Amino acid sequence: AQSVTQLGSHVSVSEGALVLLRCNYSSSVPPYLFWYVQYPNQGLQLLLKYTSAATLVKGINGFEAEFKKSETSFHLTKPSAHMSDAAEYFCAVSGPLGGGSYIPTFGRGTSLIVHP
Amino acid sequence: GAGVSQSPSNKVTEKGKDVELRCDPISGHTALYWYRQSLGQGLEFLIYFQGNSAPDKSGLPSDRFSAERTGGSVSTLTIQRTQQEDSAVYLCASSLAGQGTPYEQYFGPGTRLTVT
Repeated sequence: AQSVTQLGSHVSVSEGALVLLRCNYSSSVPPYLFWYVQYPNQGLQLLLKYTSAATLVKGINGFEAEFKKSETSFHLTKPSAHMSDAAEYFCAVSGPLGGGSYIPTFGRGTSLIVHP
Repeated sequence: GAGVSQSPSNKVTEKGKDVELRCDPISGHTALYWYRQSLGQGLEFLIYFQGNSAPDKSGLPSDRFSAERTGGSVSTLTIQRTQQEDSAVYLCASSLAGQGTPYEQYFGPGTRLTVT
């Protein structure tokens, strides 16, 4: 079984401040982990993914995330928030399921609000 | 277009009517997924296709929901006798393959279904 918990349904930061969105996962097998971003009225877009290579993963738009097995975490960070970063962010975990399929389980999402 | 497309973008229907939602995946993507996104609930997995077959239907919430995929391409999600609790955004995603490795999912913009 696999699950994802995103701490905080809303996170508010000032423009230029550090962005930290938290994600903790549960998986009975080594996980693959993803962060997706969803802008209003759009589908989800992949920001970055961890697939058992480097534990620090760099993604698009200046975001990065670090896989910490001991903490079962995969928090998303960005050093300096831009107004354009305001969106909904989803963490997802995936692992080999029956038949070898990889159907990700998504968290409930965190809405990032950026103040000028 | 190069991305995943969904139609209609918005659908308003009366309770008890049937609706069909369409998804056109990226050409060459063998795996196709349907999700339901309700406010504050994250993404709820509905069904997964590998080619034309659906090895995992575990997420369909009731027997009023069905889906098919023809020619390894277009998929239709049908909801019969719609209920107000069916109101949500229905997202479709496709990926290169669902077997053996977690390929990135590409999402469509979604269909917003409102049942009155």
